[in-house]
Amino acid sequence: AQTVTQSQPEMSVQEAETVTLSCTYDTSESDYYLFWYKQPPSRQMILVIRQEAYKQQNATENRFSVNFQKAAKSFSLKISDSQLGDAAMYFCAYMYLTGNQFYFGTGTSLTVIP
Amino acid sequence: DGGITQSPKYLFRKEGQNVTLSCEQNLNHDAMYWYRQDPGQGLRLIYYSQIVNDFQKGDIAEGYSVSREKKESFPLTVTSAQKNPTAFYLCASSTLPGRHSSYNEQFFGPGTRLTVL
Repeated sequence: AQTVTQSQPEMSVQEAETVTLSCTYDTSESDYYLFWYKQPPSRQMILVIRQEAYKQQNATENRFSVNFQKAAKSFSLKISDSQLGDAAMYFCAYMYLTGNQFYFGTGTSLTVIP
Repeated sequence: DGGITQSPKYLFRKEGQNVTLSCEQNLNHDAMYWYRQDPGQGLRLIYYSQIVNDFQKGDIAEGYSVSREKKESFPLTVTSAQKNPTAFYLCASSTLPGRHSSYNEQFFGPGTRLTVL
């Protein structure tokens, strides 16, 4: 079974500081993709960053980076220099290449404190 | 502009009524998906379709029905058999999964908030 676990229902960070959101997943597949999506108060889902499992190098997108530990099945998101606009629900997601579904975690609600 | 549209944004249903949520995309994507979002439960898959006139049940298909008569459109009907339909519904689309697919990303619509009165 494919499962995605986000163990932190809520997190908070001071503006300009760094925060890390955790995600673990369970799979027997070897070829898959991992994603972090952001859902702000508007509820529009926005892709933040993706990681291909066959790539060892961690993905980065400006202030967002991931720590991908394939053996540990861990995929955490680091947000540097946090901004007020980063306040949102963040979802970790997984899909395997021969499948046809995305599997989402339950989300982490991030608050940014001015 | 390419994207996914969902309508209406807010929908109110009386007990015993069927309602249909619209989802249209002009991204030329083959795959389309319907999710239900409840507080604390993330996104749960209702139905998905990878080709016109074909669709598969997701994890929580009971009480819902879909059709895929056109590549661009994937409407969701919430039937009276759905016991607790009040939720936020998200439609998404993507290319078919594959090594060379467009990063295998799902694109989402703005959602429909359904409330049962």
